[in-house]
Amino acid sequence: DGGITQSPKYLFRKEGQNVTLSCEQNLNHDAMYWYRQDPGQGLRLIYYSQIVNDFQKGDIAEGYSVSREKKESFPLTVTSAQKNPTAFYLCASSFRGSSGANVLTFGAGSRLTVL
Amino acid sequence: DAKTTQPNSMESNEEEPVHLPCNHSTISGTDYIHWYRQLPSQGPEYVIHGLTSNVNNRMASLAIAEDRKSSTLILHRATLRDAAVYYCILGGGGYQKVTFGTGTKLQVIP
Repeated sequence: DGGITQSPKYLFRKEGQNVTLSCEQNLNHDAMYWYRQDPGQGLRLIYYSQIVNDFQKGDIAEGYSVSREKKESFPLTVTSAQKNPTAFYLCASSFRGSSGANVLTFGAGSRLTVL
Repeated sequence: DAKTTQPNSMESNEEEPVHLPCNHSTISGTDYIHWYRQLPSQGPEYVIHGLTSNVNNRMASLAIAEDRKSSTLILHRATLRDAAVYYCILGGGGYQKVTFGTGTKLQVIP
């Protein structure tokens, strides 16, 4: 089945440590996205990539880094510079449907807790 | 970025229709209107999208105002499995920055 795989599902980190969240898609989608969600809140865009080897900052990129070396993969690193990294992280990919609209497919998410 | 405004929460009785409103007064001519929903502790899932005309699919219907400044997601018969946060977002036809608001939390009462 095609889809988006995020790993790990749960992750615990000590303060001051970097951690990398994996996102892999086998949907042959061009674009990929990372969002952060805090309890009871909406989704906030961290980074997005429209094409391999290119990515743009979203609304809350500080303290995060990404790479897009392969079409299928868009890993997110949460660095020690991120002041409050405990959150639910969601990865998405998108394609332009027959209508031309950009439709997103999301992964199941990774829940990061900083101890 | 064009923004959307949705009520924070709504309630519906099970097996009754639900109309979820969304205002987007600054929508541009090329913006599609998308709806996604998110069940607790899951990633959002696509529901429906449209540009100018009303749209129907197996999950829902989307009614778009003639001036495109508002739209309504219609669930024809709410079930307990429809209890979720529903997001209305705008997006152009390209791979652009896609932003979400806080959505409408729908509670379905048995």
